[in-house]
Amino acid sequence: GAVVSQHPSRVICKSGTSVKIECRSLDFQATTMFWYRQFPKQSLMLMATSNEGSKATYEQGVEKDKFLINHASLTLSTLTVTSAHPEDSSFYICSARDGERGGLNEQFFGPGTRLTVL
Amino acid sequence: AQSVTQLGSHVSVSEGALVLLRCNYSSSVPPYLFWYVQYPNQGLQLLLKYTTGATLVKGINGFEAEFKKSETSFHLTKPSAHMSDAAEYFCAVRITGGGNKLTFGTGTQLKVEL
Repeated sequence: GAVVSQHPSRVICKSGTSVKIECRSLDFQATTMFWYRQFPKQSLMLMATSNEGSKATYEQGVEKDKFLINHASLTLSTLTVTSAHPEDSSFYICSARDGERGGLNEQFFGPGTRLTVL
Repeated sequence: AQSVTQLGSHVSVSEGALVLLRCNYSSSVPPYLFWYVQYPNQGLQLLLKYTTGATLVKGINGFEAEFKKSETSFHLTKPSAHMSDAAEYFCAVRITGGGNKLTFGTGTQLKVEL
């Protein structure tokens, strides 16, 4: 149980285009999803927290108009990188919190999406 | 605010040798502590976690970690390294009442040699 998927696993796009990344909780309802960014050889940096049916909460320094997050259902959150530029190239990882499990409400991580902007 | 420091960005051990990955945290309130493993181009997998209670925590794949409040540490150990343990390891902290946000350390790349 507690499986989180991401699609696509890899995407290459041209500078100036927009890219949408999906994060799905496959066997549980995720009241909260988190989006992280990881540069090569570095740690995960939290970009935003997404709650189902409400606006995402962005971390300081993250442009909300550039990284659009939608959490329209309890099993799906999307991250859209708008007008992508080469500096947006990174590994994007989502995680989902199972709201129905008691206790710690652990985060379950997706396999990540490698974005390359040419 | 909480923070995590992982000493040693790269650790190399021989197969069968003890694995010790260091993690120190800073938190003004009792923390929840986690260790995750990441294989290349994959997401994170939870190895183990400390919430409350017993300070020695056992996880998957033979790993364990001990919460030492006096030392603000949560070092990860495994008695005998296996080649399959080669990966990136992240220590993370979550404070109670912190909105479930995790703060990650910078990671330690574990290399296992024959």
